[in-house]
Amino acid sequence: QKEVEQNSGPLSVPEGAIASLNCTYSDRVSQSFFWYRQYSGKSPELIMSIYSNGDKEDGRFTAQLNKASQYVSLLIRDSQPSDSATYLCAVNSPNSGYALNFGKGTSLLVTP
Amino acid sequence: NAGVTQTPKFQVLKTGQSMTLQCAQDMNHNSMYWYRQDPGMGLRLIYYSASEGTTDKGEVPNGYNVSRLNKREFSLRLESAAPSQTSVYFCASSEAAVANYGYTFGSGTRLTVV
Repeated sequence: QKEVEQNSGPLSVPEGAIASLNCTYSDRVSQSFFWYRQYSGKSPELIMSIYSNGDKEDGRFTAQLNKASQYVSLLIRDSQPSDSATYLCAVNSPNSGYALNFGKGTSLLVTP
Repeated sequence: NAGVTQTPKFQVLKTGQSMTLQCAQDMNHNSMYWYRQDPGMGLRLIYYSASEGTTDKGEVPNGYNVSRLNKREFSLRLESAAPSQTSVYFCASSEAAVANYGYTFGSGTRLTVV
């Protein structure tokens, strides 16, 4: 099973700060990369996808991909208490029909 | 828009009992998936169906069976439940397996086996 690694946290940031979430993956042939947000007791919700090297911005969220380093990150600008959740990194796995392989998630706490 | 609908939302089983978790999507997606989520373990793939008529094992298939009944529906069956199968089960769907555009998840089934 190819690995997707995330720090479990919790990552604590003050309101208004930038939260930086990191993810590494081991399968070099992976092509699609995703960030999901999961509130406690709820299902994961897709917030960002990225497919090529570089940055992709969507509102307060920026996803960064470096395939050479096998590294994906998510930046959340102007963090709000409502951003407090677990963030899951997911990478597609050609070896299992392109099903997504998920990291264990990073817990983010934004303090007022 | 219903998206992905899972039933039931909660279930308590006794060891050895059987049950089927139902999943249906109304987005005309080709691919469907079953994951389980346990504390500290993240989401782990049980089975997937890349397209109607096909099913394949994921990372943790032992103790489970699946049926892709039609394009909309993908069920997960526990033939003889064990306490180790206590978990939250999520069904998900995607437009296609290759060139994955991300999943839509159902709301989950919280299963307890006693």
